[in-house]
Amino acid sequence: DQQVKQNSPSLSVQEGRISILNCDYTNSMFDYFLWYKKYPAEGPTFLISISSIKDKNEDGRFTVFLNKSAKHLSLHIVPSQPGDSAVYFCAASASGNNNDMRFGAGTRLTVKP
Amino acid sequence: NAGVTQTPKFRILKIGQSMTLQCAQDMNHNYMYWYRQDPGMGLKLIYYSVGAGITDKGEVPNGYNVSRSTTEDFPLRLELAAPSQTSVYFCASSYLGLSNQPQHFGDGTRLSIL
Repeated sequence: DQQVKQNSPSLSVQEGRISILNCDYTNSMFDYFLWYKKYPAEGPTFLISISSIKDKNEDGRFTVFLNKSAKHLSLHIVPSQPGDSAVYFCAASASGNNNDMRFGAGTRLTVKP
Repeated sequence: NAGVTQTPKFRILKIGQSMTLQCAQDMNHNYMYWYRQDPGMGLKLIYYSVGAGITDKGEVPNGYNVSRSTTEDFPLRLELAAPSQTSVYFCASSYLGLSNQPQHFGDGTRLSIL
């Protein structure tokens, strides 16, 4: 069962504009959410996270928004840069289940110069 | 500052062969994980370990075995390779569990079984 879904396999934006990547989840027990970034031939690297007690977390150009009632989170990148071109994975876990992280299928972001 | 190191990076196996995917971390992390990523899919947990001598199954453990004799190493064993095990395998580690902190990933092993 796909508990974390990223419905857009790809996204293309112009350099300098905003990139918005979306993620939906079905398990209401999830309370910790992360975004990972992956370049070709490399492993995923941690980008930003958010706990369910917050609805927004910001780190430089990256902001994650969490809408618990809609079971939806999004990653905003402003302004987008060509180096941001990568695959972005959304992931979620539940406290009390310390060893289970569920990942979405990823969204390939392309930022055009 | 190596982090999580996986070897080999690529491997082609014949059906029925066996092999071990190696994973080592130098961050003194207690928790280690093996994932597989199939095309168009998210990462799925195969096995995990919360410390030396302790391992447990994840979401997709069939066809695999693991051991954790040291804090640093967490090898993944395929005993009888099958085409369904063609995938990219990622090893990861974290100091504490997954409920409140991110993982560090290796660069992956791309495995093809023909």
